[in-house]
Order: sequence, then C-alpha cells, then structure tokens
Amino acid sequence: DAGVIQSPRHEVTEMGQEVTLRCKPISGHDYLFWYRQTMMRGLELLIYFNNNVPIDDSGMPEDRFSAKMPNASFSTLKIQPSEPRDSAVYFCASRTRGVRSGNTIYFGEGSWLTVV
Amino acid sequence: AQKVTQAQTEISVVEKEDVTLDCVYETRDTTYYLFWYKQPPSGELVFLIRRNSFDEQNEISGRYSWNFQKSTSSFNFTITASQVVDSAVYFCALSEGASGGSYIPTFGRGTSLIVHP
Repeated sequence: DAGVIQSPRHEVTEMGQEVTLRCKPISGHDYLFWYRQTMMRGLELLIYFNNNVPIDDSGMPEDRFSAKMPNASFSTLKIQPSEPRDSAVYFCASRTRGVRSGNTIYFGEGSWLTVV
Repeated sequence: AQKVTQAQTEISVVEKEDVTLDCVYETRDTTYYLFWYKQPPSGELVFLIRRNSFDEQNEISGRYSWNFQKSTSSFNFTITASQVVDSAVYFCALSEGASGGSYIPTFGRGTSLIVHP
C-alpha cells in the first residue's frame, strides 16, 4: 500500500516567494495532519483536517500560512510570503480513527524547506 | 507544561551495548495511546509501536522491547545489542481523548541515539 506522499521533497526559495507543499494521504484515512519540525521547537502540529474539514488550525504560526484540503486525497500547505524563519521540515501525516487502528498516524517523508 | 518528556537529549553507545530510552508522560485521561517513532538520518518518521492505556503488557519485537508502567507514567524503549543502523532520533508521543475525543498526538523532543561501531 502506498504511504503518505509529499512533494516537493526539497525546496529552496527566496524570501518573499510563495511556497506550496503538497500531500496525498493514505487512501481511506479520514484525518490529515500538517506538522513542522525545527530544532528550536521540535515537532509541532500546525493544523489537522477531518473528512476534508479543518478542525484545529491553532498551530498555524501566522496569516502567511494557509492550508486546504479540497478532497479526500489531496491537501496543500501554502506560505505566502515566505521568510527565512519558515525554514523547516514540514510533515504531512494521516490516519483513520478507531480502536482497531489505535489512532496511529503515519507520516510522509517530509518536505525540507529552505528560505534564503 | 510538557505532556511528554524525553529527558535524554542524546545517548552515545558502542555497538552491542543495550540502551534504554526514557519517556515520561502526563495525562488526566483514562483512555490514551502512547507511541514510539524513529527518525533515521534520512529524515522520515517511522512508526514503531503503540500502546493503549488499558494494555500494560510489555512487548518485545526482535531486539526492541517496550516497558509501559502506568504507576510511573512511563513508556520506556530498550534496544538490546544495539547496532549502527539503530542510530536515529527516537520520539515518544501521547494522544489523549480530552480534546473532543480526537486523540491528536503530542510529541516529546526526541532522543538522539548514536551507536558507534
């Protein structure tokens, strides 16, 4: 079975540019998460969706960040305009809900973003 | 307050040594899940194991074993006869039902394990 698929794997962009990160969750999973990993803050949850609806975006750092999930198999995380402090690894993860799955989330390989 | 504490920032061992990674959690929920993930140098996050709060049975999988003790709120991870390929950052995570029953995981800061040949 295909895991969570993220693109791009690596992105280097200039400050002020728009960045779009993409994610395809595992088929059949109804929860999708965006996490950011930095040395300073560790793994932090930015936003999560249930059945394509954003449930909690309290972790989104500021209005420059936005996330969408237009359908069950695709989500985007957009940063506009990007700043050097946005440099991080962005992980997408997904899961199904319930005792059987143990609410386990599965991660994509991450998108490594560098803003110069 | 941190809900998941991994007090060991970095551990360095020599191959074939046993090593235990500590994880202490904090929750008021009676139903919760605990997890361990591995992040090798290549960067991906790999799920290793989960435990629910009603199952304190320890688990062994090859060289890996996990010790879950509710009395001390700990979920420790032991690697027996460590190998260089075990070098990675290991994350412990907790998901609780308090937040509307959504069980969203919170991660510890991770323990970097370095196994020297």
